[in-house]
Amino acid sequence: KAGVTQTPRYLIKTRGQQVTLSCSPISGHRSVSWYQQTPGQGLQFLFEYFSETQRNKGNFPGRFSGRQFSNSRSEMNVSTLELGDSALYLCASSGTGGQTGELFFGEGSRLTVL
Amino acid sequence: GEDVEQSLFLSVREGDSSVINCTYTDSSSTYLYWYKQEPGAGLQLLTYIFSNMDMKQDQRLTVLLNKKDKHLSLRIADTQTGDSAIYFCAESIIEYGNKLVFGAGTILRVKS
Repeated sequence: KAGVTQTPRYLIKTRGQQVTLSCSPISGHRSVSWYQQTPGQGLQFLFEYFSETQRNKGNFPGRFSGRQFSNSRSEMNVSTLELGDSALYLCASSGTGGQTGELFFGEGSRLTVL
Repeated sequence: GEDVEQSLFLSVREGDSSVINCTYTDSSSTYLYWYKQEPGAGLQLLTYIFSNMDMKQDQRLTVLLNKKDKHLSLRIADTQTGDSAIYFCAESIIEYGNKLVFGAGTILRVKS
């Protein structure tokens, strides 16, 4: 069974640009959540999608957005990039909308903003 | 509020047991997790425990939960050099679905 797949793995952007990251959850999983990992702030929750609906949102500015498609694949978008957006963006996949205890992460997309 | 704290660093000798500790503040936590992160990689789910349990064992891993003190620990028996990594403790709260609140991570260094 394939794991959580995130693309691209690495990318470099300049300030002011926008970026779209993609996450394909484990087959059959319907919940996808996104996290930002930085050395200074650690792992912080961005948002969660379940059945194409955003269920939870963290404390990030509106420049951070996401969506989920009918096949459960999810994308997150960051507009007007800032230097501080440089981070590892991790996606997590879960089988149900309720808590089951099993939350699996992908390898992440490492974004560098110059 | 939600807050998870961990000690930052642990050094052990190969073959010894490692114990990584974590405290959390939200008494309505439902699941508590341990993840491992190796350099340049994502998070690997090691184990998790439901909040109505006090212990869970899985091969070399033992999780102990003291709900009264809001204390969680991960014991790794017979620690190997391949166990060197950052270990994250995390909690989830039922009202927030699959949102996890993470600790800052504990760097485990295993000396041969």
